[in-house]
Amino acid sequence: SQQGEEDPQALSIQEGENATMNCSYKTSINNLQWYRQNSGRGLVHLILIRSNEREKHSGRLRVTLDTSKKSSSLLITASRAADTASYFCATDARNNRLAFGKGNQVVVIP
Amino acid sequence: DAMVIQNPRYQVTQFGKPVTLSCSQTLNHNVMYWYQQKSSQAPKLLFHYYDKDFNNEADTPDNFQSRRPNTSFCFLDIRSPGLGDAAMYLCATSTWDRASSYEQYFGPGTRLTVT
Repeated sequence: SQQGEEDPQALSIQEGENATMNCSYKTSINNLQWYRQNSGRGLVHLILIRSNEREKHSGRLRVTLDTSKKSSSLLITASRAADTASYFCATDARNNRLAFGKGNQVVVIP
Repeated sequence: DAMVIQNPRYQVTQFGKPVTLSCSQTLNHNVMYWYQQKSSQAPKLLFHYYDKDFNNEADTPDNFQSRRPNTSFCFLDIRSPGLGDAAMYLCATSTWDRASSYEQYFGPGTRLTVT
């Protein structure tokens, strides 16, 4: 079943701007993961945040997790044209089976 | 480099003609997954293997089967492809143990066209 629900669905920004995507889920989780997918390609893991963590950074990425609100956000700072992709959140409910959200299409305009 | 490889990248099959997609990994991960992804949709888990243990999703049609002859290889068999089975098929691998869970590593996908 698809737990994650990203919001907004499509985002168009200028290079150098920040991009924020949100994800909500419905049941308790072990961890939440974000993936990037370039058009017609496989998914690339970006970051994993465990249920006992509130914030995590990786390079220009910042992920927050609020388990009380069952939501997460992904912030990409100082966006680049190469960040143009679809971004998916996925929840792991303790059995390593990921439930993916619908995805956000991000377009970074040079 | 350690990686997940899928062959072929593009597969065209006829309606009703059996087709097999393959996945191999050099990561020595104990879990392998098959996902179906249709255009502009999220990946949908079909089944996964934890070592040799096969785990089917409840809503995966019987038309889809899988084999994992060894740690490195996993196959997706579609016995009688229909037009609705046209999609990108993604293979992924992961380490897993009861104490924790980990990120998944995806192959580039096989795009299946059914004519």
